[in-house]
Amino acid sequence: GAVVSQHPSRVICKSGTSVKIECRSLDFQATTMFWYRQFPKQSLMLMATSNEGSKATYEQGVEKDKFLINHASLTLSTLTVTSAHPEDSSFYICSVRGGITDTQYFGPGTRLTVL
Amino acid sequence: GQQLNQSPQSMFIQEGEDVSMNCTSSSIFNTWLWYKQDPGEGPVLLIALYKAGELTSNGRLTAQFGITRKDSFLNISASIPSDVGIYFCAGLRIYNQGGKLIFGQGTELSVKP
Repeated sequence: GAVVSQHPSRVICKSGTSVKIECRSLDFQATTMFWYRQFPKQSLMLMATSNEGSKATYEQGVEKDKFLINHASLTLSTLTVTSAHPEDSSFYICSVRGGITDTQYFGPGTRLTVL
Repeated sequence: GQQLNQSPQSMFIQEGEDVSMNCTSSSIFNTWLWYKQDPGEGPVLLIALYKAGELTSNGRLTAQFGITRKDSFLNISASIPSDVGIYFCAGLRIYNQGGKLIFGQGTELSVKP
């Protein structure tokens, strides 16, 4: 069964609005959660790493004020795309690491389209 | 960012054929992971490898953690149409890179019935 859930799976919004994406670890308490972005036909690009109760660590070139991450608990992380613009349209995927083998699992992804 | 060298980039094969893909790096990894991604979905973990030399199977899939810890391969035997998708290798170093997964560029597999 699924290890990670993500909601919503698809969202279409108007330019200038904010969008929140939820990621839940279903099988275990995730020590670390990650947010990735993926463009068509490309590999996954890490945006940020978050640990519960502490501020997220953003990768170089990722605007922390644009992509707000809240790691509320060991099973929930949210990504908010603030004041979205068409160039923010992409496939966003969360990931969790933990469990006995400390393996990393991915969510089903969220397709964001900004009009 | 840094990536693993994954090859081939794409493969077009006939149903029933075996498939082999690999990833190499100039650096050592502690863990190798292989994922499959279907269109519009997130990557799904296929096989995880934790020890140099480890050979692990998952149904028709077999993967090995290279003895030098710098490479890994994934084999798919007797391919079927549902094997179509993009396969990614990923390496993890615990002590460097902040424990971040480093991904290969992906191998896009097409299977002709």
